[in-house]
Amino acid sequence: SQQGEEDPQALSIQEGENATMNCSYKTSINNLQWYRQNSGRGLVHLILIRSNEREKHSGRLRVTLDTSKKSSSLLITASRAADTASYFCATDAGNNDMRFGAGTRLTVKP
Amino acid sequence: EAQVTQNPRYLITVTGKKLTVTCSQNMNHEYMSWYRQDPGLGLRQIYYSMNVEATDKGDVPEGYKVSRKEKRNFPLILESPSPNQTSLYFCASSFWPARGRSYTFGSGTRLTVV
Repeated sequence: SQQGEEDPQALSIQEGENATMNCSYKTSINNLQWYRQNSGRGLVHLILIRSNEREKHSGRLRVTLDTSKKSSSLLITASRAADTASYFCATDAGNNDMRFGAGTRLTVKP
Repeated sequence: EAQVTQNPRYLITVTGKKLTVTCSQNMNHEYMSWYRQDPGLGLRQIYYSMNVEATDKGDVPEGYKVSRKEKRNFPLILESPSPNQTSLYFCASSFWPARGRSYTFGSGTRLTVV
């Protein structure tokens, strides 16, 4: 069953704008990860944030984690048309698999 | 290049005709897993394996079989496919055990059962 739920389901912005996606989850986690999927292709790992971290950066990506609210956000700054993809959060509770949400479909218009 | 290779990329088959989707990784990962992706449902785990000869059911194992005879290979077998198994399938691998592991995914297999 899904653990993470992304919000919004779809997001459309202009090139150069920032894109923010949110993820909520239900149980305690060891870490939370964000993945990107280009249409119909395999998921690619973007960034991991551990349960004892609150914020992490990687290039134009900024991830926050609030374990008290069981939520995370992914911010993509200065978006580009090439950022058009679906973005998934995945929660790792230390059991046998990671749980993925249904994803946010991001469209960046040139 | 470190990668997970799935074959075939696309497959159309008829109900009841046994098929195998292959998955191979070259990263010496212990953990391998199969997911199916359906619109609005995200990725759901079918089976996983924590090492050779160690497999277990995920959330949606009905109608599927797997085997793990070698570390690098983890084929997904549909003995009698049905139309409700039409989906996009992904194989993934990672190190195990390891906290903070990330998955490497294959490019996917789009299966249509008619």
